[in-house]
Amino acid sequence: AQSVTQPDIHITVSEGASLELRCNYSYGATPYLFWYVQSPGQGLQLLLKYFSGDTLVQGIKGFEAEFKRSQSSFNLRKPSVHWSDAAEYFCAVGADTNAGKSTFGDGTTLTVKP
Amino acid sequence: KAGVTQTPRYLIKTRGQQVTLSCSPISGHRSVSWYQQTPGQGLQFLFEYFSETQRNKGNFPGRFSGRQFSNSRSEMNVSTLELGDSALYLCASSLTWRATYEQYFGPGTRLTVT
Repeated sequence: AQSVTQPDIHITVSEGASLELRCNYSYGATPYLFWYVQSPGQGLQLLLKYFSGDTLVQGIKGFEAEFKRSQSSFNLRKPSVHWSDAAEYFCAVGADTNAGKSTFGDGTTLTVKP
Repeated sequence: KAGVTQTPRYLIKTRGQQVTLSCSPISGHRSVSWYQQTPGQGLQFLFEYFSETQRNKGNFPGRFSGRQFSNSRSEMNVSTLELGDSALYLCASSLTWRATYEQYFGPGTRLTVT
C-alpha cells in the first residue's frame, strides 16, 4: 500500500522568503504524485502533479516540485512567498488500487510573517 | 464550468441520529470520491464511486455508506452518529477512476455531532 509522510507539521516563513515543503512517499511502482493546497474552510485545490518525464514540474501560483526517486521525495518549492500563500498543503500519492485514488499526507500548515 | 457542489455546507446533528450528505460532481465527471477530514486523523478515504458502482472503500465502519446516481450525483449516509464523526466531509470528482485523472474537490460539508 502507498503512504505519504510530510515531516513538517507547521512552517513559518517571512513574506518574500523562499519556501520548501517536504514530502516523502512509499510506493512499490512509479507513483503518481500531487500537491494540493487548502485554505481555511475550503476544499483542496491541485497545485501540481507528476506522473512521468521531467522530474521538475511547474504548477499554479508560482509553485514547483521536484521528484527524486532515489530519495522517495517530492518536495514543493516557491522562490518568494506571498502572504496569500498561507494555507495548509497536502502531498498525495495516487495509484489505481483498492486503496482509493489518492493517499494524503497529514499536511503542513504554512504561516507567512509580514 | 461549474465546480463540485456539496450540500449542505454546515450541519449539526445529535448522537444517534443519521445524516445524508450530497455531492454534485463537475458535469461529465463519472467518478466521485469521499474523504473525511479531522484534525487528529487528517484526510481519510471513505469510498469511491464510478458509474453508479462502488469501486473502493476505505477502512470505515458499516455506518458509513454511499451511493451514486445515474447522473453521477452522489450521496453519503452516516447512521447512528457518534461524537467522533464530527468532521469536514469532502467530495472529489474526476473524469474517471484512474488515478492519473485530476480530482476536483468541493468545499466540504462541516458536520458537528453533539
